[in-house]
Amino acid sequence: GESVGLHLPTLSVQEGDNSIINCAYSNSASDYFIWYKQESGKGPQFIIDIRSNMDKRQGQRVTVLLNKTVKHLSLQIAATQPGDSAVYFCAARFGNEKLTFGTGTRLTIIP
Amino acid sequence: GAVVSQHPSRVICKSGTSVKIECRSLDFQATTMFWYRQFPKKSLMLMATSNEGSKATYEQGVEKDKFLINHASLTLSTLTVTSAHPEDSSFYICSARGGAQETQYFGPGTRLLVL
Repeated sequence: GESVGLHLPTLSVQEGDNSIINCAYSNSASDYFIWYKQESGKGPQFIIDIRSNMDKRQGQRVTVLLNKTVKHLSLQIAATQPGDSAVYFCAARFGNEKLTFGTGTRLTIIP
Repeated sequence: GAVVSQHPSRVICKSGTSVKIECRSLDFQATTMFWYRQFPKKSLMLMATSNEGSKATYEQGVEKDKFLINHASLTLSTLTVTSAHPEDSSFYICSARGGAQETQYFGPGTRLLVL
C-alpha cells in the first residue's frame, strides 16, 4: 500500500520569505497528488494538485514539484504571509483508490 | 474551488444519544464521499467510503453499526454516530470527490463532544 511521510513536522519561516514543504511517498504507481492546508478547527482546504504526467504546476503563490524518480513531492509558497500559518498535508492516490495522507507539517510564519 | 458543507459545525450531546452529521457537495456531483475522523494534532483517519446508492465501505476497526453512513444522492451523505459515548468525541470531516479531475474536497468539519 501507499504510505506518505513528511520530512519535517514543523517549519518556521520569516514573513515575506519563501517556504518549501517536502513530502515523500512510497507507491511508485501513485498518479495523483494533492496539497491541502488546514487551519485550526477547520477542514482541509485544497491548495493545488498535480498528476504524474507533470513535474511542476503553479498556482497563485504556490508551486508543486513532483519528482517521480525519488518519489518526492514539494510545495513551495512564495512571499509567505501570516495567513499561510497552518498545517499542510500532502496526499497521494493511485487511480480511484483512496487518498493516503501524510502526517502534516505545521508552518509558522514569523512576523 | 468546489464547496462542501457540513452541518452541524459543533454538537454537544449526552452519552447514549445519536447524532447525525450531514455533508453536502454544493456545486458538483460527488461520485464518492468519504468520512474522516481527526484527533488533535494528528492526520486524518479515514473511517469509510461511500458511493451514491450503495453500502459504505468501512476501514478496518471502524464499527459499521456504530457509525451509520447513508449516501442518498450525489450531493448528500450523512454520518450517524449511534449511542454516542465520550470516546466518540472528535472532529469529523467529510470529503467529496467529483468533477473531471476527480479532485477531493473537504467540508469544514463537525466538532462532536459527548458528555
